[in-house]
Amino acid sequence: GAVVSQHPSRVICKSGTSVKIECRSLDFQATTMFWYRQFPKKSLMLMATSNEGSKATYEQGVEKDKFLINHASLTLSTLTVTSAHPEDSSFYICSGKPLAGGESGTDTQYFGPGTRLTVL
Amino acid sequence: SQKIEQNSEALNIQEGKTATLTCNYTNYSPAYLQWYRQDPGRGPVFLLLIRENEKEKRKERLKVTFDTTLKQSLFHITASQPADSATYLCALNTGGFKTIFGAGTRLFVKA
Repeated sequence: GAVVSQHPSRVICKSGTSVKIECRSLDFQATTMFWYRQFPKKSLMLMATSNEGSKATYEQGVEKDKFLINHASLTLSTLTVTSAHPEDSSFYICSGKPLAGGESGTDTQYFGPGTRLTVL
Repeated sequence: SQKIEQNSEALNIQEGKTATLTCNYTNYSPAYLQWYRQDPGRGPVFLLLIRENEKEKRKERLKVTFDTTLKQSLFHITASQPADSATYLCALNTGGFKTIFGAGTRLFVKA
């Protein structure tokens, strides 16, 4: 149980284009989903927290107009990297917290497999 | 500021031995602490959660301890196998929804 999918798993795009990444909780409902960015051999860096039906909360230093987050349903959140540039190349990972139940109640985040973005 | 420290150096052990990974934190009193496994190019996978009122938790070959006085958690893998080779992340709940992660410790188990 507690499976999260991400699509696409890998994307290469040209500088200046926009890229959308989908995050779905497949077997649970997630009122809260998180978007992280990870650089090689570094910790996960939280970008934003999104709650279903409301605006995302962005971490300090993360441009909300550049990284658009939509959490339209209890099982789907999307991250759109607008006007992507080479410095946006990274590994993006989403996670969801179950609405209820699970091994550790609602305290544990379940992660997607990640999306490798390369901007040329 | 809140800080989580995990051994940045890789841990190399022989198959069959017990691997022990350390997570130290400062400037916070988390309600719970979690351990995740991450393989290269993949998202983290949840392993165990331990709460502040629990000293120890076990799951199959895994054991986690939580010492709120020392501000430390230890993560043990007994009878380690080459398939246990991965990066292990420690994560703290900082209140509300937010969780912060350590940079992880890379474990190599040699056959």
